[in-house]
Amino acid sequence: RKEVEQDPGPFNVPEGATVAFNCTYSNSASQSFFWYRQDCRKEPKLLMSVYSSGNEDGRFTAQLNRASQYISLLIRDSKLSDSATYLCGSNQAGTALIFGKGTTLSVSS
Amino acid sequence: NAGVTQTPKFRILKIGQSMTLQCTQDMNHNYMYWYRQDPGMGLKLIYYSVGAGITDKGEVPNGYNVSRSTTEDFPLRLELAAPSQTSVYFCASSYSGGLNTEAFFGQGTRLTVV
Repeated sequence: RKEVEQDPGPFNVPEGATVAFNCTYSNSASQSFFWYRQDCRKEPKLLMSVYSSGNEDGRFTAQLNRASQYISLLIRDSKLSDSATYLCGSNQAGTALIFGKGTTLSVSS
Repeated sequence: NAGVTQTPKFRILKIGQSMTLQCTQDMNHNYMYWYRQDPGMGLKLIYYSVGAGITDKGEVPNGYNVSRSTTEDFPLRLELAAPSQTSVYFCASSYSGGLNTEAFFGQGTRLTVV
């Protein structure tokens, strides 16, 4: 079983929609969690770190559920510019950052 | 600010050739990583390093070698290139592997083995 798993999608939504992605992790010792955004043919860039208490940045909300070992990303009021692939990643202290396969979002007008 | 720099950006190799993908960072980061990304497959960890002189295997290390003689540089060596190594290779670095430490990525090297 892969350490980090995501639903690859694609998720096709209209502008203004709310969309949620989930990501599960198998290593209970994982300590840090992240959401990265990757545009086509570009490098991944950090979207948000995911904190135990949950965190919000504008239209984006990230949650962590340690009991069920998953993290989520909620995007409200989707924009065309949100179209991208969203990668979740996790690591234990002192080890490498491991990613899921990514979830593709396509927002249409 | 340069951040993480990878060279070359593109390369075509013939089967059996070898090459080194260069990666350098100017952020004084301890941790450096090499990933490969195949279409629709996310990022697979090849090797990583937690500091100069220390390297460790990731998920898919076969066919690759790395070294970390300095904090700044983390080259990836392909020996006897195979078509299965056709991929986009990303180098990344982070200050540490600790809590909520952001990893910064280079722009990638697109490698085709024919």
